[in-house]
Amino acid sequence: DSGVTQTPKHLITATGQRVTLRCSPRSGDLSVYWYQQSLDQGLQFLIQYYNGEERAKGNILERFSAQQFPDLHSELNLSSLELGDSALYFCASSVDLTGVEALNNEQFFGPGTRLTVL
Amino acid sequence: DAKTTQPNSMESNEEEPVHLPCNHSTISGTDYIHWYRQLPSQGPEYVIHGLTSNVNNRMASLAIAEDRKSSTLILHRATLRDAAVYYCILKAVRNAGNMLTFGGGTRLMVKP
Repeated sequence: DSGVTQTPKHLITATGQRVTLRCSPRSGDLSVYWYQQSLDQGLQFLIQYYNGEERAKGNILERFSAQQFPDLHSELNLSSLELGDSALYFCASSVDLTGVEALNNEQFFGPGTRLTVL
Repeated sequence: DAKTTQPNSMESNEEEPVHLPCNHSTISGTDYIHWYRQLPSQGPEYVIHGLTSNVNNRMASLAIAEDRKSSTLILHRATLRDAAVYYCILKAVRNAGNMLTFGGGTRLMVKP
């Protein structure tokens, strides 16, 4: 158990719909990362929040957005869903110091949310 | 960003050592080498990391070449539970967010 929780575990929805995935980081971790894992693209970084503020963006579609709340939990919002959005979505957290110190940090991954768009 | 190259798959017998190679010929001097693994139906988990010196922890050992252009993850006695995809990742301070950039990884199969 990594200490990172994600809900729901499974989500089945239709094209064009909107869903929200939730992540609670490990106690004390200020950074939350979102990753998408699909069969054809592998594991890809989407976005990172640090203490409530967006810190880095990866290949995140404009239809996707995220936020981190004052209690440090994070939500990933996916809208106008397409069949190709079907994937596993992982959240990870870390303490994340700055600069070189951060390079020694490990990320702790949650169990993932499996999204199926029909 | 510097890239890593790993074999697509490897096979090992249970209770034998496993050496998982990773090439990173364009590594920068400040890039850290991290290894994560992903067990079936689970999220990735951290295994080990290093900069220049070899490293040991309870899970594995990391051997880093003197020129840092390659590294090897060593599982001293593979168990069935070690069957997973192993990712070799370079972490760079120039990445403001310190995200992980995953490649294809090596799928390790462990035979009983």
